[in-house]
Amino acid sequence: GAGVSQSPRYKVTKRGQDVALRCDPISGHVSLYWYRQALGQGPEFLTYFNYEAQQDKSGLPNDRFSAERPEGSISTLTIQRTEQRDSAMYRCASSPRSNTEAFFGQGTRLTVV
Amino acid sequence: AQSVTQLDSHVSVSEGTPVLLRCNYSSSYSPSLFWYVQHPNKGLQLLLKYTSAATLVKGINGFEAEFKKSETSFHLTKPSAHMSDAAEYFCVFYSAFGNEKLTFGTGTRLTIIP
Repeated sequence: GAGVSQSPRYKVTKRGQDVALRCDPISGHVSLYWYRQALGQGPEFLTYFNYEAQQDKSGLPNDRFSAERPEGSISTLTIQRTEQRDSAMYRCASSPRSNTEAFFGQGTRLTVV
Repeated sequence: AQSVTQLDSHVSVSEGTPVLLRCNYSSSYSPSLFWYVQHPNKGLQLLLKYTSAATLVKGINGFEAEFKKSETSFHLTKPSAHMSDAAEYFCVFYSAFGNEKLTFGTGTRLTIIP
């Protein structure tokens, strides 16, 4: 596709359920980033990949959060045993290489009830 | 620590007057710097970028920013504000030495007064 695609756009889940958020980056982009944005806040770094290698996962809040990019393209952010505090907009971005501008998807709005 | 600081959380200007959104960075190495804009309920859009080429960078919608190493600043300006400029603006930092990730400032909400 022409841009970064995230799915689903909206996800409502019950507390304790697992969720998987998908990001399809721009074709050929090396770097892929995951951010979380709470209402009225700036994006908060979660993790990023160069190709299939997870370069930095220091922003993942706890071990319920994990991410993978097995073939260096599509990435999945998984949250296990969701909690209400996980509710936020989850944004994915990709860039041609790691020191260039990142292109953001529309985000997945996660609501945990 | 390497980071960016946006000095104003909220800026209000009248339509047709200049816009100044301030950003300072902290880094031991020459960084890449970006400004992104986020309109209400929309995604993040790149306005402009500095990556060690020209220090005065022109972006979309009439915005520009100047990289000043002596002041460690990368302020965003526009000569004449338009109603459509009302949005949240983020200064973003990247350094190849250290974290190698995009670090966002806390954002500045720009309000345009008719």
